[in-house]
Amino acid sequence: AQSVSQHNHHVILSEAASLELGCNYSYGGTVNLFWYVQYPGQHLQLLLKYFSGDPLVKGIKGFEAEFIKSKFSFNLRKPSVQWSDTAEYFCAVHGSARQLTFGSGTQLTVLP
Amino acid sequence: DTGVSQNPRHKITKRGQNVTFRCDPISEHNRLYWYRQTLGQGPEFLTYFQNEAQLEKSRLLSDRFSAERPKGSFSTLEIQRTEQGDSAMYLCASSLKGTSGGRTDTQYFGPGTRLTVL
Repeated sequence: AQSVSQHNHHVILSEAASLELGCNYSYGGTVNLFWYVQYPGQHLQLLLKYFSGDPLVKGIKGFEAEFIKSKFSFNLRKPSVQWSDTAEYFCAVHGSARQLTFGSGTQLTVLP
Repeated sequence: DTGVSQNPRHKITKRGQNVTFRCDPISEHNRLYWYRQTLGQGPEFLTYFQNEAQLEKSRLLSDRFSAERPKGSFSTLEIQRTEQGDSAMYLCASSLKGTSGGRTDTQYFGPGTRLTVL
């Protein structure tokens, strides 16, 4: 069975700080990896995805993520966060099953 | 707006009542998913349709839950004899099966229906 761990439940940063959110998955086969974001009062939106190829994936709003197969990780990064990045971030994996398996999410609060 | 839509957005019901939610996927998408999300957790898979066929169900989907997708368009999720533990956000997502036949389709989510069972 596939599973996803997001170890940071709540991260608080000041504007312009750098961000890295951890995501580790458990599945031995080929995976597709996703980061979704949920802004306050809004629905889940796709931030970026990895299917194959370059393990460094760039998404919207300056976010990027790196797939490290040997570490079963897909960490999300942004060099300089803004107040508008305050949201909940979910990592998800698409392995053997058709459905996505999500992590429990990381709430990011950016202080102005 | 051509995204996934869900109705109603909020539903309050008394324990023991039946409720039905509707999801309208993005028009050309042939795959449709239902997820449930409780506070502090990520979405959990409930069931999946490809066109009108229900291909997969989670163990979370007890016999009180039923989902349909007649004609492969909109879908409904019904919960019979609701319990307080059913209180959650019910999310619908849709995707388009890739022409390569692989699993590389991206799911787009609707706003969800928040169910409160009193």
